[in-house]
Amino acid sequence: NAGVTQTPKFRVLKTGQSMTLLCAQDMNHEYMYWYRQDPGMGLRLIHYSVGEGTTAKGEVPDGYNVSRLKKQNFLLGLESAAPSQTSVYFCASSYVTGGRTDTQYFGPGTRLTVL
Amino acid sequence: QKEVEQDPGPLSVPEGAIVSLNCTYSNSAFQYFMWYRQYSRKGPELLMYTYSSGNKEDGRFTAQVDKSSKYISLFIRDSQPSDSATYLCAMSSLAEYGNKLVFGAGTILRVKS
Repeated sequence: NAGVTQTPKFRVLKTGQSMTLLCAQDMNHEYMYWYRQDPGMGLRLIHYSVGEGTTAKGEVPDGYNVSRLKKQNFLLGLESAAPSQTSVYFCASSYVTGGRTDTQYFGPGTRLTVL
Repeated sequence: QKEVEQDPGPLSVPEGAIVSLNCTYSNSAFQYFMWYRQYSRKGPELLMYTYSSGNKEDGRFTAQVDKSSKYISLFIRDSQPSDSATYLCAMSSLAEYGNKLVFGAGTILRVKS
């Protein structure tokens, strides 16, 4: 049971390049999330998904797109990377039902630098 | 003003000390309160979870919620060097339950042996 995994672990991009971050979970969780973490800012929600084929915007969605074609995968895309997108990106997933703990399980993160 | 305020520290204490970590918030709709621990270059992991007001204890850790003051705390007794990490508070309203957590910026804790 690997939990939440993220690919790649590190990446350096030039301004204007595109890339896709992959998140996979093997816990059969319905909900998945993408966050970015910047110094002094905590974790900020980019996009999230409440099920296969559905996505929604979070707090800081601009410049990012997402897709959830399979329940276990959640992809985060940067179409034209900007230096302001230099950050550590975390994926999380959760199983939520009435009365149950709203626990989000996080992946190990992807460190992205945009030059 | 941020919805959740948390002193970033760093907080440096000797081994065995009692540690108090705190967050304040402005949204009175928050009902679910969590503390996550994040080791360096790792993802956050859930440490404590509390619904509404009151205290919750788990081993050396105690979480307190004071909704009247919009203030939550995490106490660590007999702190150990292995407790050195960043502690993030997080909270959610009933309406956003399961969808969105609002995180504090995190407090860096260093426990010296």
